[in-house]
Amino acid sequence: QSVLTQPPSASGTPGQRVTISCSGSSSNIGGNTVSWYQQLPETAPKLLIYMNNQRPSGVPDRFSGSKSDTSASLAISGLQSEDEADYYCATWDDSLKGVVFGGGTKLTVL
Amino acid sequence: QVQLVQSGAEVKKPGASVRVSCKASGYTFTSYEINWVRQATGQGLEWMGWMEPNTGNTAYAEDFRGRVTMTRSTSTATAYLELSNLRSDDTAVYFCARGAGADYFYYHLDVWGKGTTVTVSS
Repeated sequence: QSVLTQPPSASGTPGQRVTISCSGSSSNIGGNTVSWYQQLPETAPKLLIYMNNQRPSGVPDRFSGSKSDTSASLAISGLQSEDEADYYCATWDDSLKGVVFGGGTKLTVL
Repeated sequence: QVQLVQSGAEVKKPGASVRVSCKASGYTFTSYEINWVRQATGQGLEWMGWMEPNTGNTAYAEDFRGRVTMTRSTSTATAYLELSNLRSDDTAVYFCARGAGADYFYYHLDVWGKGTTVTVSS
């Protein structure tokens, strides 16, 4: 059971906009910034979004993040087939004193 | 370029210990924490803990305390994860990842190793 809650799956057609939610509590998302990671099949996770809405160099602006209170969201616009991957949210948890992850969302591009 | 290169796959028997290495390059090793995250087949990401290369200080997730040790060699810019008393459910891919962010508020993992597969089987 993950500390952060994500839907197990999401889907969309090419060109569509999809969002993935991440729900937590006051000890984690409510008090800290959120990061998102993309994991393509059989590869290591890759940082996609940090500090709620910042993109590392090289990440397309089709990816965006937001946070409100104890929830966060990842939005992907102009969906492409190569976006098919698992997506994880993460943050620091002040009570557990460590990094916590969501259970991951498998994105399927139909 | 900044990268973390991990050691190769391991096969261990239940009750044994395993040590995984993570060699950093392209940045100042002592300036960033090294985190360890594992992923069982078909499962999500699980944070195991971190190590501060500058001081050797560590913080472990509660689920692993007593079985995990994180160390480093500053001369070779290499971090190590040792997990003891292995069980079958420790079979997973183990990733090292660099921690970034001025403090916990901003914390994120910005560079990841490719992972090391550890298989525990009798």
